[in-house]
Amino acid sequence: AQKVTQAQTEISVVEKEDVTLDCVYETRDTTYYLFWYKQPPSGELVFLIRRNSFDEQNEISGRYSWNFQKSTSSFNFTITASQVVDSAVYFCALGSNDYKLSFGAGTTVTVRA
Amino acid sequence: DAGVIQSPRHEVTEMGQEVTLRCKPISGHNSLFWYRQTMMRGLELLIYFNNNVPIDDSGMPEDRFSAKMPNASFSTLKIQPSEPRDSAVYFCASSWGQQETQYFGPGTRLLVL
Repeated sequence: AQKVTQAQTEISVVEKEDVTLDCVYETRDTTYYLFWYKQPPSGELVFLIRRNSFDEQNEISGRYSWNFQKSTSSFNFTITASQVVDSAVYFCALGSNDYKLSFGAGTTVTVRA
Repeated sequence: DAGVIQSPRHEVTEMGQEVTLRCKPISGHNSLFWYRQTMMRGLELLIYFNNNVPIDDSGMPEDRFSAKMPNASFSTLKIQPSEPRDSAVYFCASSWGQQETQYFGPGTRLLVL
């Protein structure tokens, strides 16, 4: 069975602070896919990034960066210099050999001005 | 490019009434998913279509729920009769294939009184 754990329920920071969201996953599949989605207060679910299990290269995209560590089964996400517009619920998700996505419970990020 | 389109965005109805939610997937996508999001259960997959054919409806809660996809650009999720416990946000998502990234619509917020 697949499982995604987001241990942080809520994070509150002041604008311009960095925020790191933790995600730990469990799967027996050798090929799998990891995702981060953002759900702002308006309610939509926005795709942010996808990483395949065979691609451990970490990236930085603007203020976002990701740290994929297969050895620890973690896929952490960092927002640098946070802004109020980053306030949202962030979901980590895991997919593998079929169409099903396993979502974590989500981490609510509040960025205060 | 247009994303996944859902209508209505909000629906308030009374118990016992029929509710129909609509979804237009991203053009060219051949996989369509219906999800339900509640505070208690998080995101749940209700049904998955591939090339307009229902592949997995094991997540549909009961016979009151039904979904159709008459063509590649339109799907409906119907609840008849509706009950207060059906109150949730219903998301439609689409992708190029079952292991590809799922892009979500804005959701329909349903309230059954």
